[in-house]
Amino acid sequence: DTEVTQTPKHLVMGMTNKKSLKCEQHMGHRAMYWYKQKAKKPPELMFVYSYEKLSINESVPSRFSPECPNSSLLNLHLHALQPEDSALYLCASSTRGGGTNTEAFFGQGTRLTVV
Amino acid sequence: DAKTTQPTSMDCAEGRAANLPCNHSTISGNEYVYWYRQIHSQGPQYIIHGLKNNETNEMASLIITEDRKSSTLILPHATLRDTAVYYCIVRVAGGGGSEKLVFGKGMKLTVNP
Repeated sequence: DTEVTQTPKHLVMGMTNKKSLKCEQHMGHRAMYWYKQKAKKPPELMFVYSYEKLSINESVPSRFSPECPNSSLLNLHLHALQPEDSALYLCASSTRGGGTNTEAFFGQGTRLTVV
Repeated sequence: DAKTTQPTSMDCAEGRAANLPCNHSTISGNEYVYWYRQIHSQGPQYIIHGLKNNETNEMASLIITEDRKSSTLILPHATLRDTAVYYCIVRVAGGGGSEKLVFGKGMKLTVNP
């Protein structure tokens, strides 16, 4: 199983709503990532979790709150978003072996629209 | 962090080999070169990676120059399904022992019938 599953596939939310994006993998990967991708732009790294601990936060606004409840799950909690936060949100996972020779597997993303 | 430079776009005829170049002149000795691609509105897909030797798998071949300052991804028989944005990435080490995967602008490959 080399799948990273993201739910929901599409999400429309108001600026006062609270919602969560979910990501799941069963490959035993201990590094998990959130990316944000605007139209016609490359994915931008938001957060990295390593062994269920937040190891990298790329200065993401606090209205985005990541959570890693266990080694297979990664959530992204959303609150008080702005229309400019509308984007494709991608989750990825990779092994945490030594060195830099591990490929990442990506989910198909959640298409978020903030109205 | 090592950066990569790719052409903005490239066209290729279906059935021909597609050679996608990438420059990474500031790569350090223990950094790998990774290639990913992203078909419209899908998540990025891993293609291949290498350190200094040439690599081949069922999808593509990766040729890395001896000085490691550039590489070429080769799709031996391009099909219409290979139309995508291709990203050449040098894997960097981030804080806390984790490893970042940072995307550059990538290159749009269009395979024409």
